[in-house]
Amino acid sequence: GQQVMQIPQYQHVQEGEDFTTYCNSSTTLSNIQWYKQRPGGHPVFLIQLVKSGEVKKQKRLTFQFGEAKKNSSLHITATQTTDVGTYFCAGRTSGTYKYIFGTGTRLKVLA
Amino acid sequence: EADIYQTPRYLVIGTGKKITLECSQTMGHDKMYWYQQDPGMELHLIHYSYGVNSTEKGDLSSESTVSRIRTEHFPLTLESARPSHTSQYLCASSEYGLAGGTDTQYFGPGTRLTVL
Repeated sequence: GQQVMQIPQYQHVQEGEDFTTYCNSSTTLSNIQWYKQRPGGHPVFLIQLVKSGEVKKQKRLTFQFGEAKKNSSLHITATQTTDVGTYFCAGRTSGTYKYIFGTGTRLKVLA
Repeated sequence: EADIYQTPRYLVIGTGKKITLECSQTMGHDKMYWYQQDPGMELHLIHYSYGVNSTEKGDLSSESTVSRIRTEHFPLTLESARPSHTSQYLCASSEYGLAGGTDTQYFGPGTRLTVL
């Protein structure tokens, strides 16, 4: 079945350092979404990417969708303590409504 | 913030009991989902629905069942709870379909289930 892996599983950074998480799907995706889940909370939608090679920015966050639409990345510039949480990608294949969530990357930011 | 509600928020129950986890949304979304998530782990899709009277099983084998009689309501039922069912259950809904648009999933606060 379809699998979506994320690396790294955990990342500890000093406040101000950059952070990147990578998402890799075993199958070609129709689109990919990114979510953030704070400790004890529920996932909150960040962004959706649809086009091959697409790059989107939200303030300090940069999202990229690979040319083959099988991988994606999230990069945070100059992390802040408010960035703490687990970041999940979620991919959907063509012809289905369901999303397969990645394994997640847990980010800790040390002040 | 999205209007999606789950009750109860916490539930501790004995083995063999029948339970129903409630999920309601007031956004008129066609699509609704149930996910199971263990602490710090990924979300596993257990059921989803793309409209009234249409439900599908997700990728994670589950002994639960769902129903979708009304657009706004998507309850999940466990006929006989077991300790292996201990987990967090997250309900979500989304608006857009395959035709395009951003089909953002809005998540409820979750139900933390403990089966003794």
